[in-house]
Amino acid sequence: DAGVIQSPRHEVTEMGQEVTLRCKPISGHNSLFWYRQTMMRGLELLIYFNNNVPIDDSGMPEDRFSAKMPNASFSTLKIQPSEPRDSAVYFCASTSQGSDTEAFFGQGTRLTVV
Amino acid sequence: QQPVQSPQAVILREGEDAVINCSSSKALYSVHWYRQKHGEAPVFLMILLKGGEQKGHEKISASFNEKKQQSSLYLTASQLSYSGTYFCANKASGTYKYIFGTGTRLKVLA
Repeated sequence: DAGVIQSPRHEVTEMGQEVTLRCKPISGHNSLFWYRQTMMRGLELLIYFNNNVPIDDSGMPEDRFSAKMPNASFSTLKIQPSEPRDSAVYFCASTSQGSDTEAFFGQGTRLTVV
Repeated sequence: QQPVQSPQAVILREGEDAVINCSSSKALYSVHWYRQKHGEAPVFLMILLKGGEQKGHEKISASFNEKKQQSSLYLTASQLSYSGTYFCANKASGTYKYIFGTGTRLKVLA
């Protein structure tokens, strides 16, 4: 397996534009997590899905953020409209359900909103 | 809710030992440890389950005291490759949610 795949790796956009980040989890994994990492706040859990269903989105900062998981092999995190304070590295991670195993992280998307 | 790690940063000479602590305000089911190198994704080191202690690597081990809701990571005879930021991640019973700690930056000098 190629691991968790995120795209794009880098995104530069102007304030007010819509941004969509994509994630392909490891095949067979049932849980998917979106994290945001900044120097000030560290690694923050935004939302997690279990069997494609959003279980906890309490970490989503504002209504401008939304996430979907239409099937077991794909998830998106959308920011609309984007703001400079959204600049961060966004990680997607997946893990198998039912056993307490490691979370596998994608390489992240570095988002810069200017 | 975020686990608190100490120290925030540590600098070592190659061959020295270090201890990184992780404290939670919530009852824990398990603790994970990850290491992140600059510009890269976090990478899993080991997991400790409630009621047990697990050693993940020969010179990196950890302990888990569920009563105190604390975990510690022990790095012995540190190597240059140990440099990075170490995170604990806690998972409460009945959830699949991993909450990462505040992080500890570790630098090993030659």
